[in-house]
This record gives sequence, C-alpha cells and structure tokens, in this order.
Amino acid sequence: SYVLTQPPSVSVAPGQTARITCGGNNIGSKSVHWYQQKPGQAPVLVVYDDSDRPSGIPERFSGSNSGNTATLTISRVEAGDEADYYCQVWDSSSDHPYVFGTGTKVTVL
Amino acid sequence: QVQLQESGPGLVKPSGTLSLTCAVSGGSISSSNWWSWIRQPPGKGLEWIGEIYHSGSTNYNPSLKSRVTISVDKSKNQFSLKLSSVTAADTAVYYCARRVAVASNFDYWGQGTLVTVSS
Repeated sequence: SYVLTQPPSVSVAPGQTARITCGGNNIGSKSVHWYQQKPGQAPVLVVYDDSDRPSGIPERFSGSNSGNTATLTISRVEAGDEADYYCQVWDSSSDHPYVFGTGTKVTVL
Repeated sequence: QVQLQESGPGLVKPSGTLSLTCAVSGGSISSSNWWSWIRQPPGKGLEWIGEIYHSGSTNYNPSLKSRVTISVDKSKNQFSLKLSSVTAADTAVYYCARRVAVASNFDYWGQGTLVTVSS
C-alpha cells in the first residue's frame, strides 16, 4: 500500500514559520489533506485538497504539493499550534484507499 | 453543524468482539456522505478501518477485512462497527468520521472512544 513519511518532530519559536513535510511516491499527483490533533482530542481538518482551508481555519495554515513532497506551512506560529499533524491521501489504485502519514509533533519553543 | 458521537464498551476480552456505535446528529445519515471508522493505538498514528454508505455499500481496510463489519441503521441515524477476534493490538481510540462523497478527506470526527482489550 501507499506510504506517507513525515518527520517525527519539528520545533519552532513563536512568531516563526513551521514547515511540515509529507513524502510519498509521486504525491504531487494526489490530493493531500492535513489534520491537526491536540492531546486527548480528535483530529481537525486544517487543509484539504493540497491548499484549501475549511471554514474557521486561520490563513496562517497553508499547503503545497509537488513531486514527491507535500508541505504544510504554519506562519506566525502561536503556542496554540502545538500539536500532532497528519497528512492523508486517497490512493485510488489501492484497496486500502485512505492512507495517513506517520505524524509530526510540532513543538513551540 | 454535524456532530458524531461514539459509544460502546471500553473494555473487551481477548478473542471477543468489539462493538461500537456512532450516532449522527445535525444531519441525515442518508445524505451524500460516507461514514468511516478510524482508530489510533495509544501514542501511535491513525489507521482507517472502513466506511459505509447509507445504501449499505462498504469498503474495508484489507488488513482488517476478515474481522470487520460496518453496518448502518437509517432509522436511528447511526452506524456501527464490529471487530471480531480482538487482541491487545486492537487497543486504541476509535473514531467515527464523515467523508463527503465527492471528497477524499474526513471533515467531521467524533470525539473518540478508548477501547482496551484485556482480560
């Protein structure tokens, strides 16, 4: 099945920019979604279809996708952004179509 | 605003069957959405289990397919998960989630329920 690889952790100072990568074979040909999960809570969709934001998600969250890497960018990072982040794709060629990345813990210093 | 709420036993014995229900409110389960179960072992990542449409059509994760049954009860606006022959490896927080039929992301999630497999 399709594999999505994320760095285990990213650290960033408040006010700076955090970039979280999601690697997969030719991921640029797929739609990538990103979820934020705070401790003890359910995941929340923060970016869908590579770069769109659901209603209520700050513009500080943005996404891009090309080649073998998708990226979630969090600008002007706040303490409240500290969470785990997961990428997810739909692999149409697989009978296991909904694949999640390994997850990245974002720590705000 | 759609809301999903999981319910079911928090403790299941090894070799037993895990049974959970997801109640949907704020919208009809018969709308153009797929309804999924996703789980997360303690300290680990997310794993998609399977999904169902209101017609009863289902898709399952191949690694769990032989043990999973997802069903829908339109009269109660809810859907359910049964996972048989459970082991400690099935201990996880189980989430129900919605996917709009024309999309491939999960836009609404339940709060999750922890199921522990232990004797």
